[in-house]
Amino acid sequence: SQQGEEDPQALSIQEGENATMNCSYKTSINNLQWYRQNSGRGLVHLILIRSNEREKHSGRLRVTLDTSKKSSSLLITASRAADTASYFCATDAVETSGSRLTFGEGTQLTVNP
Amino acid sequence: EADIYQTPRYLVIGTGKKITLECSQTMGHDKMYWYQQDPGMELHLIHYSYGVNSTEKGDLSSESTVSRIRTEHFPLTLESARPSHTSQYLCASSEMGNQPQHFGDGTRLSIL
Repeated sequence: SQQGEEDPQALSIQEGENATMNCSYKTSINNLQWYRQNSGRGLVHLILIRSNEREKHSGRLRVTLDTSKKSSSLLITASRAADTASYFCATDAVETSGSRLTFGEGTQLTVNP
Repeated sequence: EADIYQTPRYLVIGTGKKITLECSQTMGHDKMYWYQQDPGMELHLIHYSYGVNSTEKGDLSSESTVSRIRTEHFPLTLESARPSHTSQYLCASSEMGNQPQHFGDGTRLSIL
């Protein structure tokens, strides 16, 4: 079964607006990571949040983690056209600890100029 | 700049051909991975390696095979390509299994 599910599947906003994407997962995790994928390219790591952390910031990115609800959110503030990409969450599950990450289905973000 | 390289970027080839997708990284990472991704869809892990002479099958059954003779090199081989193998194949590496992964730009494979 899919460990990570993301919501919404697609999001279209205007430049300058904030974008929020959500990720839910099923099993206990060691950490959760967010990645960006531009069209036709590989994934780029954005931010990692450990299971004992609740919030993390990196530039215009803010990630929250709620282990009781098994969910995480990625907030991109003051979005730019260059933020247009697919965003994936990935979990390091306790049951497969250290061997692999399981990726969600992704959110396609379009930022209109 | 990417320190993990995949070749070729695009490959269109006929059914029944043997194909090898190349992946090399210069970061000295022990862990390497192959994923299959259809356009706009999630990534599926098909193979991974803990280090030299170590290979494991991933979550998605695949007819491909891999080898890890050198730390920096993790090629994927399809002995007899079929149209069902048409997809994008992404290679990645990481220092440890639960750490951020570095991805190549992928090989987009089309089997006619």
